[in-house]
Amino acid sequence: GAVVSQHPSWVICKSGTSVKIECRSLDFQATTMFWYRQFPKQSLMLMATSNEGSKATYEQGVEKDKFLINHASLTLSTLTVTSAHPEDSSFYICSARVWGVRAYEQYFGPGTRLTVT
Amino acid sequence: ELKVEQNPLFLSMQEGKNYTIYCNYSTTSDRLYWYRQDPGKSLESLFVLLSNGAVKQEGRLMASLDTKARLSTLHITAAVHDLSATYFCAVPYSPGDSNYQLIWGAGTKLIIKP
Repeated sequence: GAVVSQHPSWVICKSGTSVKIECRSLDFQATTMFWYRQFPKQSLMLMATSNEGSKATYEQGVEKDKFLINHASLTLSTLTVTSAHPEDSSFYICSARVWGVRAYEQYFGPGTRLTVT
Repeated sequence: ELKVEQNPLFLSMQEGKNYTIYCNYSTTSDRLYWYRQDPGKSLESLFVLLSNGAVKQEGRLMASLDTKARLSTLHITAAVHDLSATYFCAVPYSPGDSNYQLIWGAGTKLIIKP
């Protein structure tokens, strides 16, 4: 099956610093990738949809200047959390979409746990 | 606006028992996805249900889709401890010119006791 990797798997950073998370589709090309955040014991919250070669589409309430998304190639999307604050601490998951047998399927990265101190 | 509701949100059951998780959604969709999430881990795709009446089975899990009732079920047969996880259903949504996205249920946390 399709494999999506994320790096790093966990990161601790100080308040005010920036953190970059990478998402790669390892054995397929993905024109569309999604970035989610998940708080403990909650469902996934879509942050933005990332299309290769174009600007990301952010969901309402997500600050695009704070969460910078770049989808430079068909196998790599990055999420940069700028000037991180403790409230940005969360589990961030990327997903890549690919056309399956008869429908789109989404494959998920292993997630990145961000802790801002 | 599409809404997806799962119930129950929490389920504790004994090994060997059967149970069903329900997923209702509010607008027309011809497909539905089920995912599993283990604690601290990401999501694993379980089933992609593509049409009305679709039924898929994998081991002790069986999923079905009734698009007319806007209902999907995930049935667990003779539960074993390894099935303990959180299960999410998700429905695709493409509102107007907006990007396609998945709308997620709240998740059902399943605990199976020996």
